[in-house]
Amino acid sequence: AAGVIQSPRHLIKEKRETATLKCYPIPRHDTVYWYQQGPGQDPQFLISFYEKMQSDKGSIPDRFSAQQFSDYHSELNMSSLELGDSALYFCASSPTPLDGSYGYTFGSGTRLTVV
Amino acid sequence: DAKTTQPPSMDCAEGRAANLPCNHSTISGNEYVYWYRQIHSQGPQYIIHGLKNNETNEMASLIITEDRKSSTLILPHATLRDTAVYYCIVRPPYDNDMRFGAGTRLTVKP
Repeated sequence: AAGVIQSPRHLIKEKRETATLKCYPIPRHDTVYWYQQGPGQDPQFLISFYEKMQSDKGSIPDRFSAQQFSDYHSELNMSSLELGDSALYFCASSPTPLDGSYGYTFGSGTRLTVV
Repeated sequence: DAKTTQPPSMDCAEGRAANLPCNHSTISGNEYVYWYRQIHSQGPQYIIHGLKNNETNEMASLIITEDRKSSTLILPHATLRDTAVYYCIVRPPYDNDMRFGAGTRLTVKP
């Protein structure tokens, strides 16, 4: 079965550089979510998109932005990178059943290292 | 404030049932109980969810108390591959910001 595809798997950037992470949801999933997981921490919700519109916003820094495109893929843009941005970044997708209850399917993540 | 409370760690013998508790005493009437797990550095994996009835799928069973203030995730025959951090999350329908709190680190031992 198709899964959530994230690219790249690994990324090394220098401080103050920019990075773009990509997420391709499962076909027919209309909602995408982004999470950040620092070393030894639990996943932290950043932002979500439903039908290409921002749906909910969590602890996403102002230096980060994201969008969902017409083909439902999403990109997380990160600027002025800091050492503390080094983390695993997960994307997840879900459908929207009539009862509003649904589990998320997560990708394998992008490991960002800022040096 | 955390909506759920889970023990930080648990051990289970391989082949035995693993029963993971979760307290959610402030759960609202329309909030579902979700369980996810994360095997080291992999993406979290959805396990099961329920509203008030007990639920079972190929991975696990979810038992929700009648007052809905607590639940238990049951892995009927734990294997070494079930070693992971298990997260219990409560969330209303159509809410697009699933928030992970501190889960339970389950270690399955031979």
